[in-house]
Amino acid sequence: GIQVEQSPPDLILQEGANSTLRCNFSDSVNNLQWFHQNPWGQLINLFYIPSGTKQNGRLSATTVATERYSLLYISSSQTTDSGVYFCAADSNSGYALNFGKGTSLLVTP
Amino acid sequence: GAGVSQSPSNKVTEKGKDVELRCDPISGHTALYWYRQRLGQGLEFLIYFQGNSAPDKSGLPSDRFSAERTGESVSTLTIQRTQQEDSAVYLCASSRRSGGVYNEQFFGPGTRLTVL
Repeated sequence: GIQVEQSPPDLILQEGANSTLRCNFSDSVNNLQWFHQNPWGQLINLFYIPSGTKQNGRLSATTVATERYSLLYISSSQTTDSGVYFCAADSNSGYALNFGKGTSLLVTP
Repeated sequence: GAGVSQSPSNKVTEKGKDVELRCDPISGHTALYWYRQRLGQGLEFLIYFQGNSAPDKSGLPSDRFSAERTGESVSTLTIQRTQQEDSAVYLCASSRRSGGVYNEQFFGPGTRLTVL
């Protein structure tokens, strides 16, 4: 199946800073999603973005399918942004998602 | 509308016992997925159901694991003769078919299984 690699594995930011998380994938994708896992373990959908660019408030994401990577941008970070960010992809419609190992983000006051 | 729901939220069991975990997908979502997340790790795929097609069981770690789905609704994941390494959070997701393709997956809150 498709391989998903995320970087960096860990990130510490001061409140107000910006950051970029990267996701590389090994094959063409049908589905690519970004999730935020909060401290209670709930996976929150951030973006469904197999290609193109989307923005939602302080977050935005870009997927360049031809170059097999996706970026998640967090601007003006807040302590509530802390948690683990996962990128996940599948290469065929309806198949299970393959998850990266995540980026653990800590935003300090 | 209601999201994906799972029950129980927590389950503590003794080694060797059988457990059943339940997932109610979002109404109208024909695809349903089970994943497992061990402590501090990413999610690993277990099994998925896609409409009326035969389920893909390729991710099940052993024959102690099985799952069923009633039509396009509730699914039950059963683990027989539980082992300590089965301790994990079991997550369920669902997605709907639109324009011939399945779209984004939405996850339930998970069932935290602890095997003593």
